[in-house]
Amino acid sequence: AQKVTQAQTEISVVEKEDVTLDCVYETRDTTYYLFWYKQPPSGELVFLIRRNSFDEQNEISGRYSWNFQKSTSSFNFTITASQVVDSAVYFCALNAGGTSYGKLTFGQGTILTVHP
Amino acid sequence: GAGVSQSPSNKVTEKGKDVELRCDPISGHTALYWYRQSLGQGLEFLIYFQGNSAPDKSGLPSDRFSAERTGGSVSTLTIQRTQQEDSAVYLCASEPSRLANYGYTFGSGTRLTVV
Repeated sequence: AQKVTQAQTEISVVEKEDVTLDCVYETRDTTYYLFWYKQPPSGELVFLIRRNSFDEQNEISGRYSWNFQKSTSSFNFTITASQVVDSAVYFCALNAGGTSYGKLTFGQGTILTVHP
Repeated sequence: GAGVSQSPSNKVTEKGKDVELRCDPISGHTALYWYRQSLGQGLEFLIYFQGNSAPDKSGLPSDRFSAERTGGSVSTLTIQRTQQEDSAVYLCASEPSRLANYGYTFGSGTRLTVV
């Protein structure tokens, strides 16, 4: 079975602080995909990134960066110099189990609040 | 359309009534997914469509839940004899094909409240 754990239920920071959202996953498969989604107050889930299990290179996109470590089954997300607009619920998700389609197992989400 | 469209955006229904939730995926997207987001349960997979077929219905919580897709486009999720525990946000997502797996586009959801 697949499982995703986001241990941080809520995080509160002040603008311009860096913040890291943790994600730990469980799967017995060797081929899998990991995702991060953002859900702002408007409610619509927005895709941020996808990584496959064979690519452990860290990725940076503007103020966002992702650290994928297979040794610890973690796929953490860091926001540098946070802004109020980053306030949202962030979900980590896993696609595994040998499915050839994109069925996702989501973590419980981390509520990020960035104060001005 | 430009995005995934869901209707209604909000639905309040009495316990025991049937409801239909509609999803219009992005034009040309063959894969369609329904998820449910509720307090305490997070985001749960309900059903997957490839074209008009549903090869994975494993997430439907009971036989009161059913879904169909017609013309490889619009999908309807039906909940019969609604119960209070059905209250949740129902999210639809689509992607270009079953092998895409590049990250869905989600709709804004239907917030269902059963009173």
